[in-house]
Amino acid sequence: DTAVSQTPKYLVTQMGNDKSIKCEQNLGHDTMYWYKQDSKKFLKIMFSYNNKELIINETVPNRFSPKSPDKAHLNLHINSLELGDSAVYFCASKTSGRREQYFGPGTRLTVT
Amino acid sequence: QQQVKQSPQSLIVQKGGISIINCAYENTAFDYFPWYQQFPGKGPALLIAIRPDVSEKKEGRFTISFNKSAKQFSLHIMDSQPGDSATYFCAASTAQSSTLGRLYFGRGTQLTVWP
Repeated sequence: DTAVSQTPKYLVTQMGNDKSIKCEQNLGHDTMYWYKQDSKKFLKIMFSYNNKELIINETVPNRFSPKSPDKAHLNLHINSLELGDSAVYFCASKTSGRREQYFGPGTRLTVT
Repeated sequence: QQQVKQSPQSLIVQKGGISIINCAYENTAFDYFPWYQQFPGKGPALLIAIRPDVSEKKEGRFTISFNKSAKQFSLHIMDSQPGDSATYFCAASTAQSSTLGRLYFGRGTQLTVWP
């Protein structure tokens, strides 16, 4: 299936730990995003990459570090997790020249 | 500052009725206005989108109405069905290369359609 996929689907961890979320798209897109959806369902952009280059860093704490090893992958590493990091994280992608963005299924992160 | 304002926060409609969700924006650089549908436990799925050069776009039971002068757009769901029960998000973006098409989302509307 052509899609945007994320792993893991659920992530439960303790404060202070470091964790990573992976995203892969097989749509041939060259632009990828990380969005955060809070407990009130508000969606807000965190990062955007184009052809492996970081373009948007939306005032996210530097505990969050995205990495794009190639155009099809965008990972999110979070250091020293805090309670406030609990949220659903969505990866999305699109191709240059088109406006439609396609979202992954999300990763629900719970920090205890 | 909320770039896109969405209302109502929740909406209850009877089966067969019309669901209407409204959004407003201030940034006149916005030139792409998509609507996303999100079911519990799923990612947002693109439903329909409009550009400001048209006032209406229809796809099946879903219609976007766009009022450029008022800087408002709305989603109409005709003949609403229980399967339409979901959270709906309006969004907007600009063509500016520096923004890479980032989406500014409204806060969402929880639609419940009663059978």
